[in-house]
Amino acid sequence: NAGVTQTPKFQVLKTGQSMTLQCAQDMNHNSMYWYRQDPGMGLRLIYYSASEGTTDKGEVPNGYNVSRLNKREFSLRLESAAPSQTSVYFCASSERRQLITNTGELFFGEGSRLTVL
Amino acid sequence: QKEVEQDPGPLSVPEGAIVSLNCTYSNSAFQYFMWYRQYSRKGPELLMYTYSSGNKEDGRFTAQVDKSSKYISLFIRDSQPSDSATYLCAMIGSGSARQLTFGSGTQLTVLP
Repeated sequence: NAGVTQTPKFQVLKTGQSMTLQCAQDMNHNSMYWYRQDPGMGLRLIYYSASEGTTDKGEVPNGYNVSRLNKREFSLRLESAAPSQTSVYFCASSERRQLITNTGELFFGEGSRLTVL
Repeated sequence: QKEVEQDPGPLSVPEGAIVSLNCTYSNSAFQYFMWYRQYSRKGPELLMYTYSSGNKEDGRFTAQVDKSSKYISLFIRDSQPSDSATYLCAMIGSGSARQLTFGSGTQLTVLP
């Protein structure tokens, strides 16, 4: 059982380049999330999708776009990468739309390490 | 000021020690409290979940919540080298049931 799979695991970009991070889950979960993790800042929510067909902004959405392609897949796009977007990106999923009914459990992928030069 | 504050460490203890990890928060709407464990170069995984004030025990791990002080703790008894990881607290308020707010994480090393 793969759980949450992220690709690519590593990427180096130049300022201004674009790229898409892919995420897929095989647990039939309803909700999916994109976080970034930076030293001293913890995990910050970029965007989330409570259910197929819906997306909402999180704490730090600027410079990113997302697509909930279907129930399994949730992609994150950087249209014009900036050095401030150097980070580790995590995709996560949860079974239910309301986290408080789900013991707050998110299932995370292993992360995508992005460096923008 | 961040909504959730967590001492980043790093914290280094000998095997068998009792470890105390803590978070403070400012948002009184937070009702549900979690601890996630993150091994190096891996994604976080849920370790403990508690609702409101009180204690919850699971094996060597005890989660404690004091809502009056806006303070939560995770205690690890008889710590093992396999406990070496970053521990992140996380919280949900009833008004933000679709989003977790995470602390910045405490890096723990248990020395054999």
